[in-house]
Amino acid sequence: AQTVTQSQPEMSVQEAETVTLSCTYDTSENNYYLFWYKQPPSRQMILVIRQEAYKQQNATENRFSVNFQKAAKSFSLKISDSQLGDTAMYFCAFMPLNNNDMRFGAGTRLTVKP
Amino acid sequence: EADIYQTPRYLVIGTGKKITLECSQTMGHDKMYWYQQDPGMELHLIHYSYGVNSTEKGDLSSESTVSRIRTEHFPLTLESARPSHTSQYLCASSPPGGANYGYTFGSGTRLTVV
Repeated sequence: AQTVTQSQPEMSVQEAETVTLSCTYDTSENNYYLFWYKQPPSRQMILVIRQEAYKQQNATENRFSVNFQKAAKSFSLKISDSQLGDTAMYFCAFMPLNNNDMRFGAGTRLTVKP
Repeated sequence: EADIYQTPRYLVIGTGKKITLECSQTMGHDKMYWYQQDPGMELHLIHYSYGVNSTEKGDLSSESTVSRIRTEHFPLTLESARPSHTSQYLCASSPPGGANYGYTFGSGTRLTVV
């Protein structure tokens, strides 16, 4: 069974600085998708960024980028120029190519300090 | 704004009561999911549906039941609520062939059973 591990329960960063959230996963699959979701306090969880495992190029969405290391089964999220609105729980998720069984990590609570 | 709606947002109810958590989406998505989310824990899939009249249990054993009579509606029912059911319940959906683009989540229902 696939598992997703987020080893940092809580992190904080100063506004305008850069922070990296870690995620590792365990799978025997070769093709799959990886996601980072953001859940602001008392608000809807939204997709931040996704990565296709068969693409070597790291995904980027504005201030958000990933460092995907397939051999190491690592998928970290980098947030540049952190903003107060980035304060949220961040969940890493894994989904095999041929089914919709999405697995989530336990989350990292990120606080951006002014 | 959310295209998937959950009601109520918060519910406090006594032990033994029957409750139904509502989830509706306006996107025409065929696949819908219910997750249970506890603080510091990964999201656990408790039910999913691939379309009308299709319902399956997820990994996490749950005493709840679901139904899918209409594409847009996926309610979750607890026949007899217990304090162990206290949790946040998240509903999500994905389009045909589009789960690899991520799920759309509702804002959740935070249930407290006293």
